[in-house]
Amino acid sequence: DQQVKQNSPSLSVQEGRISILNCDYTNSMFDYFLWYKKYPAEGPTFLISISSIKDKNEDGRFTVFLNKSAKHLSLHIVPSQPGDSAVYFCAPARGAQKLVFGQGTRLTINP
Amino acid sequence: DSGVTQTPKHLITATGQRVTLRCSPRSGDLSVYWYQQSLDQGLQFLIQYYNGEERAKGNILERFSAQQFPDLHSELNLSSLELGDSALYFCASSRGVGYTFGSGTRLTVV
Repeated sequence: DQQVKQNSPSLSVQEGRISILNCDYTNSMFDYFLWYKKYPAEGPTFLISISSIKDKNEDGRFTVFLNKSAKHLSLHIVPSQPGDSAVYFCAPARGAQKLVFGQGTRLTINP
Repeated sequence: DSGVTQTPKHLITATGQRVTLRCSPRSGDLSVYWYQQSLDQGLQFLIQYYNGEERAKGNILERFSAQQFPDLHSELNLSSLELGDSALYFCASSRGVGYTFGSGTRLTVV
């Protein structure tokens, strides 16, 4: 039972352009949505989150959008920088603690 | 430094052997989670402990077990190791929103 799907295993974007990473979920009980970023040989690090009562949250170059009716969220990175090259995991949660991780999207920013 | 400490960082062992991975959570965090990441795979949830008690179980094999001690550090025991157990094993702790991950233990079974 795959509750969280990140359908794009990889994404390649030109430096300076916008990167859009997508995530779909099935469980309507999720009330918190987090994004984690992971570099090779390191643990995932928290990037940005959004509560189910909002539809948008912005933090610098990173914006997360939530469409509850479509059970879809997306992470926008603009402008994309080479240091953004990493694997990004979408992680919805119930009660902000029981996270369910997607399979991840490998983002590559090309100079 | 995330505050979550995992040891050892690397471990190479033979099939059939038993290993113990250790995790010290961030100070004050009561919950500890264990995850497995095989090559190019996502993060597979194994097990969660909260203040010494098992709280949730994921796709953890019977050959694997874990515990959380009174000082809140946790150990993940992997026995009768197989080649397919080679992976990165992450520990995370939490006290509020989200998890803080350690840098992982890379296990290689040869």
